[in-house]
Amino acid sequence: GENVGLHLPTLSVQEGDNSIINCAYSNSASDYFIWYKQESGKGPQFIIDIRSNMDKRQGQRVTVLLNKTVKHLSLQIAATQPGDSAVYFCAESPVRFGNEKLTFGTGTRLTIIP
Amino acid sequence: ETGVTQSPTHLIKTRGQQVTLRCSSQSGHNTVSWYQQALGQGPQFIFQYYREEENGRGNFPPRFSGLQFPNYSSELNVNALELDDSALYLCASSLDPVEPQHFGDGTRLSIL
Repeated sequence: GENVGLHLPTLSVQEGDNSIINCAYSNSASDYFIWYKQESGKGPQFIIDIRSNMDKRQGQRVTVLLNKTVKHLSLQIAATQPGDSAVYFCAESPVRFGNEKLTFGTGTRLTIIP
Repeated sequence: ETGVTQSPTHLIKTRGQQVTLRCSSQSGHNTVSWYQQALGQGPQFIFQYYREEENGRGNFPPRFSGLQFPNYSSELNVNALELDDSALYLCASSLDPVEPQHFGDGTRLSIL
């Protein structure tokens, strides 16, 4: 069936370096994409979202890139800090449902090395 | 601004019992969604309520049911609990169905 998945389950990055977390999706009807950060014992925290009419969106230290041709999404975190260590999830939803049918990937664990 | 709050934080039940989990939405949010997150996995969508009506449902059996109240708080009810229902149950609210969802810290449900 349709699924959202991640290329790498774990990623270690030196503090201060940039990190890139990748996500592949297979549902061609997906219109809305969102990244969440989940720290241990907490719920997912919204990072940034993007709709399919855009290919790039920037936030504070984060950038999301969307390549609809190859159904690929990435999250770039600039100048990583120890507080960026967490599990990162991408999620997607088809357009006609707004964002209520969010389908999450399995997550990538990002570890920032001091 | 108060975020999404869930209660209780932890709960232990036995097979066959029933459970009710509660969620208070973020102020001004009229949409609430519930998710089940098994250990080491991403959240799985259960259902969403918008202005007290169900607005979408995932692949969960009918023993998973919900309510949204006029103040937009919400409940998740699970009947005939099974061992596989052990998970973190997350509630998320949004301004409306097309806005980003903001999550609470969940209720950890353990079934013995």
